[in-house]
Order: sequence, then C-alpha cells, then structure tokens
Amino acid sequence: GNSVTQMEGPVTLSEEAFLTINCTYTATGYPSLFWYVQYPGEGLQLLLKATKADDKGSNKGFEATYRKETTSFHLEKGSVQVSDSAVYFCALSDRGYGQNFVFGPGTRLSVLP
Amino acid sequence: DAMVIQNPRYQVTQFGKPVTLSCSQTLNHNVMYWYQQKSSQAPKLLFHYYDKDFNNEADTPDNFQSRRPNTSFCFLDIRSPGLGDAAMYLCATSSVLGTAVGQPQHFGDGTRLSIL
Repeated sequence: GNSVTQMEGPVTLSEEAFLTINCTYTATGYPSLFWYVQYPGEGLQLLLKATKADDKGSNKGFEATYRKETTSFHLEKGSVQVSDSAVYFCALSDRGYGQNFVFGPGTRLSVLP
Repeated sequence: DAMVIQNPRYQVTQFGKPVTLSCSQTLNHNVMYWYQQKSSQAPKLLFHYYDKDFNNEADTPDNFQSRRPNTSFCFLDIRSPGLGDAAMYLCATSSVLGTAVGQPQHFGDGTRLSIL
C-alpha cells in the first residue's frame, strides 16, 4: 500500500535559519503530493502541492519539488521565522478521493527568536 | 471566502452522553471526510461521503456514526463517548471531477472534544 515517511522531529531552528524537512513516499501509479501545515489549536492548511514529476510547489517562501527518481518531496525554506513554528505533514493522493489520501506522521518545527 | 466551518470549536461532554459535531462547507465539494486527530499525530480517517454514498473505514468503531443531509452539511455522532474518544475532530472536503489526478483536501479548524 501507499505510505509516506517524514524525518523525525522535533526540529528546532533559530530565526533566519535554512529549513529542510525530508519526505519520501511509496505509491503505485503517479500520486499527487502535498505539504500541510498545522498551527497550534487549528486545522490543517494546504501549504503547497505538486501533481507530476519535476513540478515545484511553492507558497509563503516554502518550496518542494516532486522527485520521482528518488520518490521524494522535501520541504525547504531559505529563512524561517518564529511564526513558522507548527507541525508539517507530507501527504499523497493517488486518486481523487477517499482512503487513498495518506499522511506522513508529521514533523514539529520550533523556531526560536 | 469559501471555506469549511466546524462548530463548535470546543465541546465538552460527559462519559456516555451522546454528542454531535457539525461541519458545513461553502466550497460545493462533493466529498466530505471526518478525521480523528490525537496529540498532533497524523489525522486518522474515520469515514467519508462521496456525494451521498457513505464509506466507513474498517477500524472505525461502531460508536461513531455520520450523516450528510445535503451537499453542504455533514455531522459526526458519537453515541456513547468514552475517555479514549477525547481528541480533535477534523472535517475536510475535496472535489472529484472525474480526473485521475489526486486532489487536495481542505480542512476546517476542527472541534476539540473533551470527555468528563
């Protein structure tokens, strides 16, 4: 079955540091890939997405590139802020709906001033 | 803005007392989902509706039920809440347009359920 693996957290960085959160996946076919962010006490927000190989998703300074050869979708940001402190979930969907939407375990990021 | 709205944000109920959580959407999406999330773990899918068709996950307890009276609204009923049911409950929607490309899900802010 499909699965998503993320780097273990928590990740603690100083403000303006470079961020990488690794995500790799296992799937049949050609899934769409997503990053979601969850701030304390809130629901999940779609941060960015990519639907085919070599696509780059970007939003709010975050980027991730769909690498089919390495089955990866690593999240990066050049300069993190305290307000980026949250839990980040990598996810995939290989069809339109239903239980084929798979989340990774999440990575907690804390950014210190 | 089009969105997914969950009410209430916080719900307290007593052990064994039935409780209903609600979700509404203005996105006009045809699929709606209910998830359970504990302690910032990955959300766990309980069930989903594809239009009016109900799809239950194999490991969802019978204690959990759902209703979708129309496109915009979906309810989660917990018939006899136990202490282990204390969690954040997330509603999500997606739009399936006949494409094979995986679609994102759009989440509400959740309802945090506490059991006394």
